[in-house]
Amino acid sequence: AQSVSQHNHHVILSEAASLELGCNYSYGGTVNLFWYVQYPGQHLQLLLKYFSGDPLVKGIKGFEAEFIKSKFSFNLRKPSVQWSDTAEYFCAVNRPYNTDKLIFGTGTRLQVFP
Amino acid sequence: DTGVSQNPRHKITKRGQNVTFRCDPISEHNRLYWYRQTLGQGPEFLTYFQNEAQLEKSRLLSDRFSAERPKGSFSTLEIQRTEQGDSAMYLCASSRQGGNTEAFFGQGTRLTVV
Repeated sequence: AQSVSQHNHHVILSEAASLELGCNYSYGGTVNLFWYVQYPGQHLQLLLKYFSGDPLVKGIKGFEAEFIKSKFSFNLRKPSVQWSDTAEYFCAVNRPYNTDKLIFGTGTRLQVFP
Repeated sequence: DTGVSQNPRHKITKRGQNVTFRCDPISEHNRLYWYRQTLGQGPEFLTYFQNEAQLEKSRLLSDRFSAERPKGSFSTLEIQRTEQGDSAMYLCASSRQGGNTEAFFGQGTRLTVV
């Protein structure tokens, strides 16, 4: 069965620090990869997605992620975080041309202090 | 607002009561998903509709849970004889059909069983 692992459960950073959140998945076939963000009191929103092509994908708000197929990884990065990035971040995977149901990781809670 | 809409936002019920939640997807989306999210976890897939057909149900979905999408538009999720373990956030998402599509989430219904 597919699974998604997020290694960092809780990350605390100061503003302007760099961010990298780890995500690994277990599935040998073709996958789509996603990062969703959930700001306090709000619904899940898509940060970025990878379907195919350039393994370095750019999302909203300065986030990017790199798909490394050999490592089954899709780590999320941001060079300089802001207080407004405080949120919970979820990595997710699905198999295209299937049900497209998403398998989520357990999430990483990011707190950014001014 | 043309996003995914869920009602009610919050529901408190006594153990043993039945509850029903509603989801209105984005109008042109023919795929609809229900997920459940508990504290400290990522969303877990419950069930999936393509138009009015329920095509997949998770093993998490016990016999007390039933979902419908009668006309391929809105969907309802009913929980009968609620238990304290049913307390969670119930999320609805919708997407277009196709291999490389993204899901849009509603704000969820938070169920508390007392």
